[in-house]
Amino acid sequence: GAVVSQHPSWVICKSGTSVKIECRSLDFQATTMFWYRQFPKQSLMLMATSNEGSKATYEQGVEKDKFLINHASLTLSTLTVTSAHPEDSSFYICSAKAGANVLTFGAGSRLTVL
Amino acid sequence: DQQVKQNSPSLSVQEGRISILNCDYTNSMFDYFLWYKKYPAEGPTFLISISSIKDKNEDGRFTVFLNKSAKHLSLHIVPSQPGDSAVYFCAARSGGSNYKLTFGKGTLLTVNP
Repeated sequence: GAVVSQHPSWVICKSGTSVKIECRSLDFQATTMFWYRQFPKQSLMLMATSNEGSKATYEQGVEKDKFLINHASLTLSTLTVTSAHPEDSSFYICSAKAGANVLTFGAGSRLTVL
Repeated sequence: DQQVKQNSPSLSVQEGRISILNCDYTNSMFDYFLWYKKYPAEGPTFLISISSIKDKNEDGRFTVFLNKSAKHLSLHIVPSQPGDSAVYFCAARSGGSNYKLTFGKGTLLTVNP
């Protein structure tokens, strides 16, 4: 079946630094990928839609300058959390459409900002 | 405003019995509904889905029921197994080629041996 890989699965960084998270579709091409964020005991909240070869579409309330998304190829999207602060600590999950009507999710990346 | 609601944060059932997880939605534009299962520190995995033109979809031990008039869907797991213990998310999609999903907060299912 379709597999979406995320890296790193865990990352700890100092406040003020930037962190890049990669999302790869391993056995299929994904023109569109989605980035979600989950706080403890909360639902997955869509942050942005990543479009291959064009700008990402951000959901209301998500700062595009803080969460930089690049979708340079059909198998790779990256999310960069710039100038990270402790409140950015969260579980970030990407997904891609691998078949009709179903999204396949990556395993997620746990970001802890000290 | 939460468009997809899972009002039970947790559910505990005995192995072999039925697990019923509920989900309500408010957006009448949703035309496709999905259930995802999630283990701690992992991404959600797709479980089962249903189109708004149907009222039931079955896949092995898992059945999803949709009541459009009540804007309610439920996931039935029969018989429940300890390995089913996980967080179950209800998700909904509005029509068209937009595959953005709106998720509920999830229900933690614990199946006791």
